[in-house]
Amino acid sequence: GQQLNQSPQSMFIQEGEDVSMNCTSSSIFNTWLWYKQDPGEGPVLLIALYKAGELTSNGRLTAQFGITRKDSFLNISASIPSDVGIYFCAGRPGAGSYQLTFGKGTKLSVIP
Amino acid sequence: EAGVTQFPSHSVIEKGQTVTLRCDPISGHDNLYWYRRVMGKEIKFLLHFVKESKQDESGMPNNRFLAERTGGTYSTLKVQPAELEDSGVYFCASSPNRDPYNEQFFGPGTRLTVL
Repeated sequence: GQQLNQSPQSMFIQEGEDVSMNCTSSSIFNTWLWYKQDPGEGPVLLIALYKAGELTSNGRLTAQFGITRKDSFLNISASIPSDVGIYFCAGRPGAGSYQLTFGKGTKLSVIP
Repeated sequence: EAGVTQFPSHSVIEKGQTVTLRCDPISGHDNLYWYRRVMGKEIKFLLHFVKESKQDESGMPNNRFLAERTGGTYSTLKVQPAELEDSGVYFCASSPNRDPYNEQFFGPGTRLTVL
């Protein structure tokens, strides 16, 4: 089946630093999504990307849908303690597909 | 508006026992999904309901797993008999109408431990 390779697996950063994480795949994806999971909660959608090359921002978060449709990155600028959590990339393999394929997640720790 | 709720939040059972997980989607959402995350791995799709019908059950691991959504409201996922490799966090999600691009809203998950 299709797989998403998400990196890094974990990150420890100082408050105020910028963060970057990415996902790659050997297959084309139709949609790229970035989710955040807080402890004890389910994943919450942060950003959705629908077109190759699309660059979208949501506050301090910026994400891009790669031109080849096989990769995406998420940047967080000026990190704060509440950014702590697990970030997942996810993709829809085809138009009309309801099924999401997820990466393994990036665990982010922010040191105050 | 209440979000997706799941019960129980945690379940610890012994190998060979039966467990039933419940999901209440957001009111009015036709689409209901089950996903599972085994420790350290990716979140994997299990199946998708549209109202009471199974639209896609391609992710169900084997016939020990049975999902139902009688009446098209809440859903249950039964594991019988449970095996050690079934341990993980089971997430339920829901989305409105038939547009696949609608956001899927996730519940908090049920953490299942099989000893």
